[in-house]
Amino acid sequence: ETGVTQTPRHLVMGMTNKKSLKCEQHLGHNAMYWYKQSAKKPLELMFVYNFKEQTENNSVPSRFSPECPNSSHLFLHLHTLQPEDSALYLCASSRGLAGGQETQYFGPGTRLLVL
Amino acid sequence: AQTVTQSQPEMSVQEAETVTLSCTYDTSESDYYLFWYKQPPSRQMILVIRQEAYKQQNATENRFSVNFQKAAKSFSLKISDSQLGDAAMYFCARSQGNLIFGKGTKLSVKP
Repeated sequence: ETGVTQTPRHLVMGMTNKKSLKCEQHLGHNAMYWYKQSAKKPLELMFVYNFKEQTENNSVPSRFSPECPNSSHLFLHLHTLQPEDSALYLCASSRGLAGGQETQYFGPGTRLLVL
Repeated sequence: AQTVTQSQPEMSVQEAETVTLSCTYDTSESDYYLFWYKQPPSRQMILVIRQEAYKQQNATENRFSVNFQKAAKSFSLKISDSQLGDAAMYFCARSQGNLIFGKGTKLSVKP
């Protein structure tokens, strides 16, 4: 699958590090999303961007900082993370928001481990 | 909080047999969308099937079909003629703006 790509696929970082996750979609979509997937928990929506504008911040701690320079790219900047932030971070995109009827297409995820 | 419940953490099916994964949800809206997503061990989540709540006809997609019971707020997924490649986590999701996911059902397929 090459529609939505994410790098890196795996990341190990210390609590004092700063790192960034990158997502790129090649589908011509206008909306992009960050999700957190932890074991035995439902996917948690973190941020939503539509036409580069943030439309949703789901009470995410400020140590996670998203950036959407254009409709094709989405970043998640990480700093001073906690061990409980270890999870799979998934990026997704859709044609638009359209009241939720649009199908979301997911990337393969970045497996993050915070030591 | 409005939730999506998948009551079966794990399911197992024999190859070529049929299996049904259950999903119930909570909503006060009359118009919404329902989805089943599949996440194989490689982790890329893909759409299996979707249903518009205003449509009474159950969606089908090849070997995958749903049993949508709007009054009961139930949206089960039936997989017919199960194949080894069907082994994955299956997530039910409801949309009213944003997607609300269930915790998932891990499906194993026995040869």
